[in-house]
Amino acid sequence: DGGITQSPKYLFRKEGQNVTLSCEQNLNHDAMYWYRQDPGQGLRLIYYSQIVNDFQKGDIAEGYSVSREKKESFPLTVTSAQKNPTAFYLCASSIPNMDTQYFGPGTRLTVL
Amino acid sequence: QQQVKQSPQSLIVQKGGISIINCAYENTAFDYFPWYQQFPGKGPALLIAIRPDVSEKKEGRFTISFNKSAKQFSLHIMDSQPGDSATYFCAASMTSGSRLTFGEGTQLTVNP
Repeated sequence: DGGITQSPKYLFRKEGQNVTLSCEQNLNHDAMYWYRQDPGQGLRLIYYSQIVNDFQKGDIAEGYSVSREKKESFPLTVTSAQKNPTAFYLCASSIPNMDTQYFGPGTRLTVL
Repeated sequence: QQQVKQSPQSLIVQKGGISIINCAYENTAFDYFPWYQQFPGKGPALLIAIRPDVSEKKEGRFTISFNKSAKQFSLHIMDSQPGDSATYFCAASMTSGSRLTFGEGTQLTVNP
């Protein structure tokens, strides 16, 4: 099956700990994205990458970091500097310069 | 200039009725306007999209109406069904396709 996988589906962490969310795609898409979803606020872009070894900050990058060492993988690290990390995190991918983005099933992160 | 404003925040419709969700944008460089549908606990999925060269696009029970001069576009769901109950997001991007700007979302409930 082709698609985007995110793991785990639910993640619990203690305050002050860094945590890495996984995103893998086998669609052969060059572009990948990370969004954060909070109730009533839509989807806000954290980071995006148009090509391997390159990525750009989105609208709310503070407290997050990413890497893009492989085309199929775009992990997101939520650092202890992120003041309010509890949220639903969505990964997406697309063909560069094509508009449709395909989303993964999401990871719900809860910081205790 | 990058904002997309969506209304209403929530909508309740009876089965068989018409659901209407509205969006307004500011950036005149936007030229791709998709709608995404999201069920609870899942990632959003592309529902229908339009470009400004047409004023209306219809796919089954779903229609996008686009008013370029007013910088507004809307989603109409005809003969709404309980299975349409979901959160709907409008979005906008420029031709480069590098990033989507999302509206805040509308939670639609269709009562049987």
